Amino acid sequence: GQQVMQIPQYQHVQEGEDFTTYCNSSTTLSNIQWYKQRPGGHPVFLIQLVKSGEVKKQKRLTFQFGEAKKNSSLHITATQTTDVGTYFCAGHGSGNTGKLIFGQGTTLQVKP
Amino acid sequence: GAVVSQHPSRVICKSGTSVKIECRSLDFQATTMFWYRQFPKQSLMLMATSNEGSKATYEQGVEKDKFLINHASLTLSTLTVTSAHPEDSSFYICSAPRQGLPVMRQYFGPGTRLTVT
Repeated sequence: GQQVMQIPQYQHVQEGEDFTTYCNSSTTLSNIQWYKQRPGGHPVFLIQLVKSGEVKKQKRLTFQFGEAKKNSSLHITATQTTDVGTYFCAGHGSGNTGKLIFGQGTTLQVKP
Repeated sequence: GAVVSQHPSRVICKSGTSVKIECRSLDFQATTMFWYRQFPKQSLMLMATSNEGSKATYEQGVEKDKFLINHASLTLSTLTVTSAHPEDSSFYICSAPRQGLPVMRQYFGPGTRLTVT
């Protein structure tokens, strides 16, 4: 079945350093979504990417969707302690069912 | 924005008892809802797709008779963990997709933390 792989699993950075998490799908995705989950919380939608090669920015966060629509990345510039949490990518399964296949997530720790 | 609620937020039960978790879409209708389970430091694992007016679709390896799903209305889905055991202790999260432009987006409930003693 469809799989979404995400690396790294954990990342510890010093505040101010950059951070990147990578997502790869075993199949071509119609779109990819990114979520952030704070410790003890639930996933919160960040963004969705639809077009091949698309790049979107949200302040210090930059999201990219690969040309082949099988990979994606999230880059955070100059991390802050508020960036702490687990970042998940998720791709939709085949058909328009709304079913999401989540990557394993990357947990970011930021040392002040 | 769209809101999904879940009740209860936390529950502690004894082994062998059943627990019902409710998931409600508060300001939109959801013919489909999804139930996930998340163990500590792990990702969300899709358990089943709840379909309004019809049977739920379970993912491979998820026991239908143990995790009963009922989608009684366009705004309510329930997950009942029957004969719960300590290994069922987990964080259960529901989500409801809402069609937006250009694609469908998921709205997650706040989750239910189940502890089986």
